[in-house]
Amino acid sequence: DTGVSQNPRHKITKRGQNVTFRCDPISEHNRLYWYRQTLGQGPEFLTYFQNEAQLEKSRLLSDRFSAERPKGSFSTLEIQRTEQGDSAMYLCASSPVGSGGTTDTQYFGPGTRLTVL
Amino acid sequence: GDSVTQMEGPVTLSEEAFLTINCTYTATGYPSLFWYVQYPGEGLQLLLKATKADDKGSNKGFEATYRKETTSFHLEKGSVQVSDSAVYFCALSDLYSGAGSYQLTFGKGTKLSVIP
Repeated sequence: DTGVSQNPRHKITKRGQNVTFRCDPISEHNRLYWYRQTLGQGPEFLTYFQNEAQLEKSRLLSDRFSAERPKGSFSTLEIQRTEQGDSAMYLCASSPVGSGGTTDTQYFGPGTRLTVL
Repeated sequence: GDSVTQMEGPVTLSEEAFLTINCTYTATGYPSLFWYVQYPGEGLQLLLKATKADDKGSNKGFEATYRKETTSFHLEKGSVQVSDSAVYFCALSDLYSGAGSYQLTFGKGTKLSVIP
């Protein structure tokens, strides 16, 4: 088990450019989450997939953000027309489906740090 | 909506001191509660969790007890080490109807520095 991986680890871009991040969850984990963490704050939920279906999106996810999880494996998060306020750490987490409706632990990747100039 | 409030930092302690980081929550359902830790330059790691009232989560000498009556989940350790220096996040997971998401709601984090 290699854990959750994210690429790139760092991304610097100019305002107005598009960026795409990738997350590879732990194999066989059905659930995948994206969070955003700004300096001095806790992570905030962005969106959630169960297999390939995107089942929930936060109000934080504006029209410029889109996420996909083709074939229920890796996921991508794209930000179009980046703004300086998008500068943050973008975290991905995965978890298996529990039995009997129990909560399952989310395992986090190292994150992608985005800086928009 | 759900929220988590945790003790403001930073907290600086001498090695072998007793640690308490307070955490309280509000939730519409019956949440599970977590402490995550973020060491410098690393990602979030689960430290401990509790899924029902009066459960005690423990790991690496850290403990926290799920107190439903006071809606609290305070983190404690009897004797901290320099290697415990990190940012600690309290979080809850509340099953949302329909989508079945277990999204985590985090506190702002408490930075702990332990000095020799």
